[in-house]
Amino acid sequence: AQSVSQHNHHVILSEAASLELGCNYSYGGTVNLFWYVQYPGQHLQLLLKYFSGDPLVKGIKGFEAEFIKSKFSFNLRKPSVQWSDTAEYFCAVRPVSGSARQLTFGSGTQLTVLP
Amino acid sequence: DTAVSQTPKYLVTQMGNDKSIKCEQNLGHDTMYWYKQDSKKFLKIMFSYNNKELIINETVPNRFSPKSPDKAHLNLHINSLELGDSAVYFCASSQAAGGGETQYFGPGTRLLVL
Repeated sequence: AQSVSQHNHHVILSEAASLELGCNYSYGGTVNLFWYVQYPGQHLQLLLKYFSGDPLVKGIKGFEAEFIKSKFSFNLRKPSVQWSDTAEYFCAVRPVSGSARQLTFGSGTQLTVLP
Repeated sequence: DTAVSQTPKYLVTQMGNDKSIKCEQNLGHDTMYWYKQDSKKFLKIMFSYNNKELIINETVPNRFSPKSPDKAHLNLHINSLELGDSAVYFCASSQAAGGGETQYFGPGTRLLVL
């Protein structure tokens, strides 16, 4: 079965700082990758996703992520964070084929941006 | 025009009670899901239904029973509630159960069992 690791549990940054959140997955086959964001008290929203093609994907609100297949990683980046980016960020992976094709989430990274 | 809606938003109840959470999606999707998010924000799938049929049933106590009256609804009934059931429950939907589709989440139901 697949698994997802997010090594940073809590990240605190000042506004305008650059962000990189780590995500590594474990699965032997082809996967689709997602980053979701959960703002305080709200539901999960999709930030971006990777299915195939260009490994550098751009999402909403200036976020991007790079899929590095050799490292089983899908790190999330933003060049300059804002206070409104304070939220919980979840990486998720889903196998493209096989019997266990459910979406598996990482444990999340809480991002706090200080004004 | 809410895409995935859940009711109630908050649910506070006593141990031993039976409760239901309702979920509806108006996206025309054919697959719906229930997730449980614990106090540490860890999100884990519980069930998945495709065209009203159960396709994923993770290790969940059989006190939890999903019911899908039609493609647009997936309700979650919980019998004999326990303290450990306190969590946020999210419903989600997607088009097709194959790999790669995007899941859209509801606002969550915060369940507190006293």
